[in-house]
Amino acid sequence: DTEVTQTPKHLVMGMTNKKSLKCEQHMGHRAMYWYKQKAKKPPELMFVYSYEKLSINESVPSRFSPECPNSSLLNLHLHALQPEDSALYLCASSQGQEAFFGQGTRLTVV
Amino acid sequence: DAKTTQPPSMDCAEGRAANLPCNHSTISGNEYVYWYRQIHSQGPQYIIHGLKNNETNEMASLIITEDRKSSTLILPHATLRDTAVYYCIGHNNNDMRFGAGTRLTVKP
Repeated sequence: DTEVTQTPKHLVMGMTNKKSLKCEQHMGHRAMYWYKQKAKKPPELMFVYSYEKLSINESVPSRFSPECPNSSLLNLHLHALQPEDSALYLCASSQGQEAFFGQGTRLTVV
Repeated sequence: DAKTTQPPSMDCAEGRAANLPCNHSTISGNEYVYWYRQIHSQGPQYIIHGLKNNETNEMASLIITEDRKSSTLILPHATLRDTAVYYCIGHNNNDMRFGAGTRLTVKP
């Protein structure tokens, strides 16, 4: 199984809502990533977890809160987002070599 | 992460080889060169990676210059399905950052 599964595929949320994005992999990878991608731009690194510990936080606003409950799961908790946070959110995992990406969650903040 | 520079766009005729260059003059000795591509609205897909030697797999070939300051990804017989944004990344740890990439358009 070489899949990274992200749910939901699409999400529309209001600025006062709380929602979570979920990412799952069963490849035994110990590094997991969150990226944000705006239209026609490259993916932008947000967070990296290594062995379930947060190793990189790219000064992301606190309205984005990552969580790695176990080695297979990665969550991104969203609260009080702004319309400019609308983007494709990508999850990836790796174990020393190539990274595998999910298909992303397309988030729209209204 | 090494800083990488790629041309913003390239065209290629269907059936011909696509040669995509990448400059990574600041790459350090233990950083690998990775190539990924992203087809519209999908997650990036790994293509190939290398350290010093040239590499080939079922998707592509990677040619790395002897001084490791640049590399070329070769798609030997491009098809319309190879139209995508191609990213070159230099890294050796979990700090994996994308540059602007090259938008390759394969034309019939």
